Amino acid sequence: DAKTTQPTSMDCAEGRAANLPCNHSTISGNEYVYWYRQIHSQGPQYIIHGLKNNETNEMASLIITEDRKSSTLILPHATLRDTAVYYCIVSGDYKLSFGAGTTVTVRA
Amino acid sequence: DAGVIQSPRHEVTEMGQEVTLRCKPISGHNSLFWYRQTMMRGLELLIYFNNNVPIDDSGMPEDRFSAKMPNASFSTLKIQPSEPRDSAVYFCASSPGTGGGGYEKLFFGSGTQLSVL
Repeated sequence: DAKTTQPTSMDCAEGRAANLPCNHSTISGNEYVYWYRQIHSQGPQYIIHGLKNNETNEMASLIITEDRKSSTLILPHATLRDTAVYYCIVSGDYKLSFGAGTTVTVRA
Repeated sequence: DAGVIQSPRHEVTEMGQEVTLRCKPISGHNSLFWYRQTMMRGLELLIYFNNNVPIDDSGMPEDRFSAKMPNASFSTLKIQPSEPRDSAVYFCASSPGTGGGGYEKLFFGSGTQLSVL
């Protein structure tokens, strides 16, 4: 599976949009981009996934560049409850490799 | 839907004892995963079942670890004998996907915090 690179941490103001970048320059054609998050002391939670097109659901939006070498997860209106570790994962099968992720802290 | 249910929530045991962790996946899901999370190694996939059959156990650390899925609604992860280095949070996850060619949307349980003294 392709490796991903994410910033170690980032802060975000409550009510503002949070834009989380992820680089996956070695992604293959059949590999999806997944985003999960893990709130302290809980199991990881699925957020969104995509293959080529941008995606949006009730939680977030996923923007994938045309060459698919990078993506951005957008939390449109961050709340304190969005404080968590966010994982960007690239995979073409059942194996989801969770790296270190980005620790996002939403501040009031 | 109750989600993925794991038990116990916390387990404290002494080195050498047998430990059994339990998981009830979401009804209708045909894929089940066991993950382990530590500060040093992060989240690691231990084993993957599809339709109750173990497909990939390459992540199982050693022979002291074993996992079973006797039916679609129950799985166990057993450690015998346990060692202090097995201390970690163990997560079970299930997915409606069949794996291989499709995307995997995993639903995780709350985990079992294992401490081996």
